[in-house]
This record gives sequence, C-alpha cells and structure tokens, in this order.
Amino acid sequence: EPEVTQTPSHQVTQMGQEVILRCVPISNHLYFYWYRQILGQKVEFLVSFYNNEISEKSEIFDDQFSVERPDGSNFTLKIRSTKLEDSAMYFCASSLGLAGGGAGELFFGEGSRLTVL
Amino acid sequence: AQSVTQLGSHVSVSEGALVLLRCNYSSSVPPYLFWYVQYPNQGLQLLLKYTTGATLVKGINGFEAEFKKSETSFHLTKPSAHMSDAAEYFCAVSDTNTNAGKSTFGDGTTLTVKP
Repeated sequence: EPEVTQTPSHQVTQMGQEVILRCVPISNHLYFYWYRQILGQKVEFLVSFYNNEISEKSEIFDDQFSVERPDGSNFTLKIRSTKLEDSAMYFCASSLGLAGGGAGELFFGEGSRLTVL
Repeated sequence: AQSVTQLGSHVSVSEGALVLLRCNYSSSVPPYLFWYVQYPNQGLQLLLKYTTGATLVKGINGFEAEFKKSETSFHLTKPSAHMSDAAEYFCAVSDTNTNAGKSTFGDGTTLTVKP
C-alpha cells in the first residue's frame, strides 16, 4: 500500500541552526501538507502546497519556514533559524483532494521529531 | 469557516466496555467528516470517513461513527474496548467548498483502556 515517508525520524539541532525535513508523498496525490504537534498538544496546521505553490498557511508559518518540492517527488520543510519553541513532531501529509477524486482525507507520514537545544 | 469540538480530552474505559468519543462540528457547507487515530510515537491514520449516503459508517478495528446533521455530531463508538485501542483520537472536518478539501482537526481525545 502506498505510504508517505519522512526523514529523518529524529533530529537534534542547536538553536539558530537551519533544519530541513523531508517527505515523499504518495505519488498520485495532488495536495501536500505540513502539520506539527508539540508534545502533548493538538495537531496544528502549518501549510498546504498545490501545483508547486503554497495554497494556504497558518500564522505559525512565518518567514522562518519555507517549503518546496524540488524534484517532483520530495516535499521539504525548511526552518531557517530554529528556536526552542520549534521543538515538536512534524508530520507531512498528502491528499488527492476533492478535485482528485478523494474526500479530502489525509495520509500521514510517521513524523519527524525535532529537538532544538 | 469550519471547526471541530471534541468533548473530553481524556476518556477512560475498562476493557470490554463501550467506547464513546464525542465530536461536534461546525460547517457552512455539507461536511465530510473523519476520525483519525494516533498510536504512541506514530503518525495519524484514518479510522473512518463520512462523505455522503449512509450516515452510519464503519471503520477499521471495529469502530463506527454516526453522522447526525440535526445535532452536528459525528461521535465515534466501539462496542467493546480492547487494550490495543489506547491511543489519541482526532475528529476532523473537510472543507468541501474547496478543491483541496483542507481538514480542520479537533484537539484530540486520549483514550485509556483499563484492564
């Protein structure tokens, strides 16, 4: 069964360092998302991406964050200068979307745990 | 705009007892509704979904949910809890007014199953 894969599973970094989290969405999906979950808290929407551009972003997704799909298969989240409060589990998800014949259900990766020291 | 409210951040049941996790939604358009489960240290996986048609939908692991438009609810149930059901459960509503159908998630309910 197709799945969303994420790397790394866990990354530890120093405050102020740049981090890139990588995701390979399901190949025929059209919409790509990043969510984050701070330990013990709810799942928060960061950004959605469609047709090689951001379609929506939350207030969390400030100038320190960026996303790109560099090669048609990978979907990356970059945090330019990490802060302590960026420590969280980051989930990538993909979807066919309604236009692609789905119901909007999301297929999630296993997550990348980011620890900022 | 859409929103989801999950009543009860923590629910504890005994093994073999009925599981009931509550979800109410708000949507200006006919909603698509979902329940996801997150086991410890894992990603979210789809349990079940409602789009159109039959209002009682069945999912994996013996779970089911009923869409009640008049109550704007989509509560998740399972007749008999297993220890393996201990997890975080998220209700979500999809924006059917857009091509993406972006989902809005509730805050989650932690289910504990006591032996």
